[in-house]
Amino acid sequence: DVKVTQSSRYLVKRTGEKVFLECVQDMDHENMFWYRQDPGLGLRLIYFSYDVKMKEKGDIPEGYSVSREKKERFSLILESASTNQTSMYLCASSPGAPEETQYFGPGTRLLVL
Amino acid sequence: GEDVEQSLFLSVREGDSSVINCTYTDSSSTYLYWYKQEPGAGLQLLTYIFSNMDMKQDQRLTVLLNKKDKHLSLRIADTQTGDSAIYFCARLNTGGFKTIFGAGTRLFVKA
Repeated sequence: DVKVTQSSRYLVKRTGEKVFLECVQDMDHENMFWYRQDPGLGLRLIYFSYDVKMKEKGDIPEGYSVSREKKERFSLILESASTNQTSMYLCASSPGAPEETQYFGPGTRLLVL
Repeated sequence: GEDVEQSLFLSVREGDSSVINCTYTDSSSTYLYWYKQEPGAGLQLLTYIFSNMDMKQDQRLTVLLNKKDKHLSLRIADTQTGDSAIYFCARLNTGGFKTIFGAGTRLFVKA
């Protein structure tokens, strides 16, 4: 069974703090993704990575950065957290072509005060 | 995901069939997916269909694809309270890598 884990289920931070969200997958997947999920907006892609040290911007990369130093780990960084980054953050991984099925972690609910 | 559209809410009675609909705009999508998200959990793949198929059945789930109308549906037969969840329609973007998700349909099953 594919397992995708995220470092925290719930996180409370203050405006201006630097925030790290960690994601680890144990199936040697090539691709990893960070989404945020907001009511009525579905999932929006922040960044994805198709290989170690490789990253691509998604639809809403502003205010975020990512790091993939090892294949199994993909980190999302909020350099200076703001209240509009309060959201549910979902990490996913996929093995690659052809069908690109994504496997999701349980999510991190982040509250920025 | 404005190019994958689905209604936000569906309510059915236990034992009835549920039909969740989805429309998309990019006809070149190769794979289309249905994901399920239970409360407090991440998304879980329910089923997927390749674009050259019209229908796929898996136990209580039936996926219908009308490529001409760019319409995908998920039918759940004999809906149970445990089926209450948010169901996301998604398509694989041309060229791979990027999956476009709809906003999700919240299915509420009344006992």
